[in-house]
Amino acid sequence: DIQMTQSPSSLSASVGDRVTVTCRASQYINNYLNWYQQRPGKAPKLLIYTASILQSGVPSRFSGSGSGTDFTLTISSLQPEDFATYYCQQSYKTPLTFGGGTTVDI
Amino acid sequence: QVPLQESGPGLVKPSETLSLTCTVSGGSSSGYYWSWIRQSPGRGLEWIGYMYYSGSTNYNPSFQSRVTISVDTSKNQFSLKLGSVTAADTAVYYCARHVAVAGSPFDYWGQGTLVTVSS
Repeated sequence: DIQMTQSPSSLSASVGDRVTVTCRASQYINNYLNWYQQRPGKAPKLLIYTASILQSGVPSRFSGSGSGTDFTLTISSLQPEDFATYYCQQSYKTPLTFGGGTTVDI
Repeated sequence: QVPLQESGPGLVKPSETLSLTCTVSGGSSSGYYWSWIRQSPGRGLEWIGYMYYSGSTNYNPSFQSRVTISVDTSKNQFSLKLGSVTAADTAVYYCARHVAVAGSPFDYWGQGTLVTVSS
């Protein structure tokens, strides 16, 4: 199985901060890397797919980059509604696997 | 919008079979994979498997021996059966959709349903 490792596991930030979350795959996954946001008690929501493509309706302060094994999710200016947990997921091959999550709190 | 709604018992006894249904409304089931994913504090997000609307399946080897995903296209529903459950199967179970092309993400998720395994 492809292991997905996110760092940090949690971070504290303030409104307006630039936040970066990293995700590393245990083997090559091309650019088949997706990012999700999950708020407490809710299902994950797709933010970015294929490493850098913003899902429709997602604010442009979110961006993704990377290819191969190393990927980054950036929030350019953190907003109150962005305090949540973020997950990466590889869709390169089955079994599809997720990272352990990064919780962004105040 | 493609609302997905999970339904099924919230409590299952150890060694029994967990059965859940996902109802898809507002769209066709063709051209998509329909997955089951679960989430627990100890194991995080785990992909269980998917079914294509034609009936073909792809299961996570971790669940292969005890999982069945099936589809009822006439009702726009797909189902999960997970046998021989233990407390480790206690989790929130989600159904989710992804386009039937290589590398597609989960673009729609159900709200999730908590299943507790306990006697």
